Amino acid sequence: QKEVEQNSGPLSVPEGAIASLNCTYSDRVSQSFFWYRQYSGKSPELIMSIYSNGDKEDGRFTAQLNKASQYVSLLIRDSQPSDSATYLCAGGNYGQNFVFGPGTRLSVLP
Amino acid sequence: DAGITQSPRHKVTETGTPVTLRCHQTENHRYMYWYRQDPGHGLRLIHYSYGVKDTDKGEVSDGYSVSRSKTEDFLLTLESATSSQTSVYFCAIGAGGYEQYFGPGTRLTVT
Repeated sequence: QKEVEQNSGPLSVPEGAIASLNCTYSDRVSQSFFWYRQYSGKSPELIMSIYSNGDKEDGRFTAQLNKASQYVSLLIRDSQPSDSATYLCAGGNYGQNFVFGPGTRLSVLP
Repeated sequence: DAGITQSPRHKVTETGTPVTLRCHQTENHRYMYWYRQDPGHGLRLIHYSYGVKDTDKGEVSDGYSVSRSKTEDFLLTLESATSSQTSVYFCAIGAGGYEQYFGPGTRLTVT
């Protein structure tokens, strides 16, 4: 049974700081990893996907993947109060279904 | 929401009644998924479809059935609703192992 684990938080950071969100997964088969942001009462929104070891940057977001350590992270630079949400990590593989972690709640304090 | 709609958006029903939730997409994606989201459990896959009339079970399929007669529509049926099926239900579309995009969700309350 594949599992994806995340610290449920809440993770609190001051405005302008770097928020670091972490995710570990239990299997070595998963090749695709995704970060979703979910505001309270809303649906998950895809913000990053990463398929290869290393870093992938998109604006203020950087995803980092280390397949050997079965670890994926999301860095949010210059955190804003509007980044306050729950962040879901998911792992998958082509032709297979995603497994979602329980999510980390991030609070960015003004 | 990437061209995905769900209906109804809110529903209250009584225990033992059948309920059907609809997901409609305009993106022509092959894969469609139904998830439920509950506090403490995160997102859990109920059923998914990889083509018209092609469906399979997910992690929490007991008490649910699905149908997909057209590429754009994926229906989730609770055959006899129970209070444990009170949840938020999300439909998602995707390309099988790659990005998935979620609909706005349906909040279902079974009394």
